[in-house]
Amino acid sequence: QQQVKQSPQSLIVQKGGISIINCAYENTAFDYFPWYQQFPGKGPALLIAIRPDVSEKKEGRFTISFNKSAKQFSLHIMDSQPGDSATYFCAASIGAGSYQLTFGKGTKLSVIP
Amino acid sequence: DVKVTQSSRYLVKRTGEKVFLECVQDMDHENMFWYRQDPGLGLRLIYFSYDVKMKEKGDIPEGYSVSREKKERFSLILESASTNQTSMYLCASRPQGGGSPLHFGNGTRLTVT
Repeated sequence: QQQVKQSPQSLIVQKGGISIINCAYENTAFDYFPWYQQFPGKGPALLIAIRPDVSEKKEGRFTISFNKSAKQFSLHIMDSQPGDSATYFCAASIGAGSYQLTFGKGTKLSVIP
Repeated sequence: DVKVTQSSRYLVKRTGEKVFLECVQDMDHENMFWYRQDPGLGLRLIYFSYDVKMKEKGDIPEGYSVSREKKERFSLILESASTNQTSMYLCASRPQGGGSPLHFGNGTRLTVT
């Protein structure tokens, strides 16, 4: 019940294309869903987060879509750029202040020119 | 900017050695965390601390212990290193309360031979 399933494991997208990463969860008590971005040699950093009271959140080229009934959420990167090449982790917790943030297994995104 | 510093970028130890991984944060954060990152397994929580001298087990505490004697420093201890503890270790910190993201260090890649 604590798992967050993330797909795909790796993704190759042409520059200018749309990158889509999907996550699914089982625990209906989860109410905070952040995405972290990790560049090679660096620690992950918060990219964008959403709560289930909204179905979509957009920050620049990055959009989280949330489907509460399906228990799924996804990250869309519009106009993908080579600088977006990184590993992306979705995560979920019960409350934004929870100590226990459950991470997905990560998606390695490569944006090719 | 929050800075989370992990004392070693790379570490090579022998089986059976006692290993200390050190982490220091400079933003007076109450909460500190140790994660382990393995390919295909994502980020898994080993231990966390919500205050000085306080510690709680995460998802995979076996074979590890922690120490938090000062607010800014959180140490991960491998009492007797084993080859299956070869991994990337990430330290993170966060202020108490909801909505604040985890701030990660750049990681320590530990190899146990």
